[in-house]
Amino acid sequence: TQLLEQSPQFLSIQEGENLTVYCNSSSVFSSLQWYRQEPGEGPVLLVTVVTGGEVKKLKRLTFQFGDARKDSSLHITAAQPGDTGLYLCAGRRPVLYTGANSKLTFGKGITLSVRP
Amino acid sequence: DAEITQSPRHKITETGRQVTLACHQTWNHNNMFWYRQDLGHGLRLIHYSYGVQDTNKGEVSDGYSVSRSNTEDLPLTLESAASSQTSVYFCASSKLAGAYNEQFFGPGTRLTVL
Repeated sequence: TQLLEQSPQFLSIQEGENLTVYCNSSSVFSSLQWYRQEPGEGPVLLVTVVTGGEVKKLKRLTFQFGDARKDSSLHITAAQPGDTGLYLCAGRRPVLYTGANSKLTFGKGITLSVRP
Repeated sequence: DAEITQSPRHKITETGRQVTLACHQTWNHNNMFWYRQDLGHGLRLIHYSYGVQDTNKGEVSDGYSVSRSNTEDLPLTLESAASSQTSVYFCASSKLAGAYNEQFFGPGTRLTVL
């Protein structure tokens, strides 16, 4: 059973469109991170959300952490071809469950393609 | 600039051979991780280390081993390579624990086992 479910798995949109993608779980996380990965490279951190209900903005990207800290969303406004890539969410379980140095659990990722 | 490197970037080997993938970081991070990435599975944790002489099994550790003799390096060894171990392998490092702790990833090693 996948601890973090990301949806949709694939998304192909036209430049200028808006989109929202999701990262859902039945488990509580102490923090959630979003990474972006481009072909042939390793993932790179975009944002970390820690507090339930927290909203963070990174230029045209808006990240939200669910009130219960079980899910997160990523909204992109006016998508650009440069937004193309694999978007991974990763959660850190509370210290109670995993010990002081808790590991990250990754979702399978969302492949986004933005057509010019 | 600090960085994390992996070598080789591409490797083709035969079933049954021993293979070692190198990972070297100059961030002076205590934590290091090895993942494999496969279509339909995302990133799965193989082994991780929280410091010198410390190693721990991840969710897919069978057939793999690691050793940590210094802060900078965490080599991953496939004792007897199997076709099921064909994958892209990523090494990552991070500072000590914390909610905002970021993992820095290497560029990956594409391994093909024939």
